[in-house]
Amino acid sequence: DAEITQSPRHKITETGRQVTLACHQTWNHNNMFWYRQDLGHGLRLIHYSYGVQDTNKGEVSDGYSVSRSNTEDLPLTLESAASSQTSVYFCASSERRDTQYFGPGTRLTVL
Amino acid sequence: AQSVTQLDSHVSVSEGTPVLLRCNYSSSYSPSLFWYVQHPNKGLQLLLKYTSAATLVKGINGFEAEFKKSETSFHLTKPSAHMSDAAEYFCVVSEYNFNKFYFGSGTKLNVKP
Repeated sequence: DAEITQSPRHKITETGRQVTLACHQTWNHNNMFWYRQDLGHGLRLIHYSYGVQDTNKGEVSDGYSVSRSNTEDLPLTLESAASSQTSVYFCASSERRDTQYFGPGTRLTVL
Repeated sequence: AQSVTQLDSHVSVSEGTPVLLRCNYSSSYSPSLFWYVQHPNKGLQLLLKYTSAATLVKGINGFEAEFKKSETSFHLTKPSAHMSDAAEYFCVVSEYNFNKFYFGSGTKLNVKP
């Protein structure tokens, strides 16, 4: 069965360190998204990609970057982690505007 | 601009009574609309979706939603709540020719025994 996975599921890091969160999907979807979820804010879009070599900024992209070298993967990098980036991160994929499929989430704590 | 408004941040019902979670949207084009459910410490699961076919959409676990264009609404209902329905629910809209999704702020459903 097709799926979307995220790793690690939990991560604790220190302020200033670079962190990369992995997202891998086997749906063969062109579209991939990264969201963060915080109490009182719902899900907010960080970055998204419509295909290989395509990346776009979402509403809360400062301090984050992504790259898309193949269809299956969209890693999210925090260049210099800050305490404000403590959150739960969700990756999703979709085909055009059809259903988004979400990964299980990564809980990131920045100390 | 596209937007989604979930009119209630918290809804509390008794087990066995009906559930109504309200969602209004704004969209310039023909939208696709979705409801997702998130149980505590879990990811988001699709409940149902509307993509310009029948306006009454049936989903999993007895949920359904009706697309009302004149009211720009897509309210989620269930005839009889179960304890396992306690979760957070998100209304989401995407638009024709756009590959972006707009989330409501979520409604937390509490089911009392």
